[in-house]
Amino acid sequence: GNSVTQMEGPVTLSEEAFLTINCTYTATGYPSLFWYVQYPGEGLQLLLKATKADDKGSNKGFEATYRKETTSFHLEKGSVQVSDSAVYFCALCYTGNQFYFGTGTSLTVIP
Amino acid sequence: DAGVIQSPRHEVTEMGQEVTLRCKPISGHDYLFWYRQTMMRGLELLIYFNNNVPIDDSGMPEDRFSAKMPNASFSTLKIQPSEPRDSAVYFCASSSDYNEQFFGPGTRLTVL
Repeated sequence: GNSVTQMEGPVTLSEEAFLTINCTYTATGYPSLFWYVQYPGEGLQLLLKATKADDKGSNKGFEATYRKETTSFHLEKGSVQVSDSAVYFCALCYTGNQFYFGTGTSLTVIP
Repeated sequence: DAGVIQSPRHEVTEMGQEVTLRCKPISGHDYLFWYRQTMMRGLELLIYFNNNVPIDDSGMPEDRFSAKMPNASFSTLKIQPSEPRDSAVYFCASSSDYNEQFFGPGTRLTVL
């Protein structure tokens, strides 16, 4: 079946530190992959996406590369800010527009 | 576009009462999803519609939950009777074919 496994949280980093949140997936075929972010008290919003192998999604300094050989889509940012504190969800969409979300990783960035 | 609109934003009710959550999807989107989010279980898909027709309701926890989509611009999620364990944030999301889902701000439900 289709599923997403992402790094357990919570993650606490100092401002300007490097961020990696791991995400691996299981899917039949070739899904599209997404990272969503949820700020406190808000709904999820799309951060970035990649629709085929070797694509790199990027937004707001965040990046993730669709790695078919390792079935991974790890989220990275070179220098985090306090405003990046949020919960990050990895997700895949294979068919029928149904998304499969990971469990979410909480990130806290301290000044 | 105003995005996905949900109402109410907060609902506090007593056990046994009926609760109705409302959602207006983004115009032109033909998929609509209802999710529930709790600390214990994370984000759970309850049901989704395509062109107003329910496609998969396997995530609906039990018969106390029901969802309808009478037209392309409106959907409801009803809980009757409500129980304290239904307390959660309920999200509605909409999308067009194979594209990102756009989430509403959620309804925080508290059942006392």
